[in-house]
Amino acid sequence: DTEVTQTPKHLVMGMTNKKSLKCEQHMGHRAMYWYKQKAKKPPELMFVYSYEKLSINESVPSRFSPECPNSSLLNLHLHALQPEDSALYLCASSQVEYPGANVLTFGAGSRLTVL
Amino acid sequence: GEDVEQSLFLSVREGDSSVINCTYTDSSSTYLYWYKQEPGAGLQLLTYIFSNMDMKQDQRLTVLLNKKDKHLSLRIADTQTGDSAIYFCAESIPNDYKLSFGAGTTVTVRA
Repeated sequence: DTEVTQTPKHLVMGMTNKKSLKCEQHMGHRAMYWYKQKAKKPPELMFVYSYEKLSINESVPSRFSPECPNSSLLNLHLHALQPEDSALYLCASSQVEYPGANVLTFGAGSRLTVL
Repeated sequence: GEDVEQSLFLSVREGDSSVINCTYTDSSSTYLYWYKQEPGAGLQLLTYIFSNMDMKQDQRLTVLLNKKDKHLSLRIADTQTGDSAIYFCAESIPNDYKLSFGAGTTVTVRA
C-alpha cells in the first residue's frame, strides 16, 4: 500500500457545524502533515505530527483541531469555520521522520466549502 | 513561497521538451523536489534531488541543479497531454519539517 487515503473527498458545512476530515496511511510513515491549499496557490503547512505527537502548529486558528490517534491515522476536527476556510485540505506522510529529508506522499485531498 | 520562485505559465507543443525553472534562496537546502498537481487532485511527487547532486534522470524526467546559482530545472522529454498540470518546486532545509513551495508553474500541452 503506497497511498494516503483522505475522506471525505468533498465536504460542505455551515459555520456552526462540527465536522472532521480523516486521513489514513499504511506505509509505516511516522510523520504526518496537514496542509491547506487555496485555488491556484501552493500548499501551506498547518500541522505536523511526529511519532503521534504534535511537532508543529503553524499558528493555525483553534477552530481547526488536529488529532493523531495512532501511527496510521490523522484527523482534522473542524468547528465554527469561516467561509474563507474553504479550501483543499491535503494530508501527507513521510517515511523519514527526522526533519530536512521530507519526501512527502500526499493524499488526494478533501475539498471543503464553508457556507 | 517567497523563498522559492518559478515562472507561472508554460505552453508547449505535444512531443516537444518542456523545461520548468525554479530558483531558491536558502543555500542550506538539503533536498529539492518537483511535485505535479493535476486538476482536482493532490500533489504527486515526481522526483527529488539531494543537494550535493548535479543531475538526476528518471525516464522522461531530467532534473538539473546548479547549487552555485541556486537554480533547479525540470526537463520533461516528449511532452504528452497527460503532462498538463501545475508543477511545484519545493525545498527542505535541515532540522525543519517545512517544505517551501514555489507558486507553481501551469504547464499546458497543445496538440
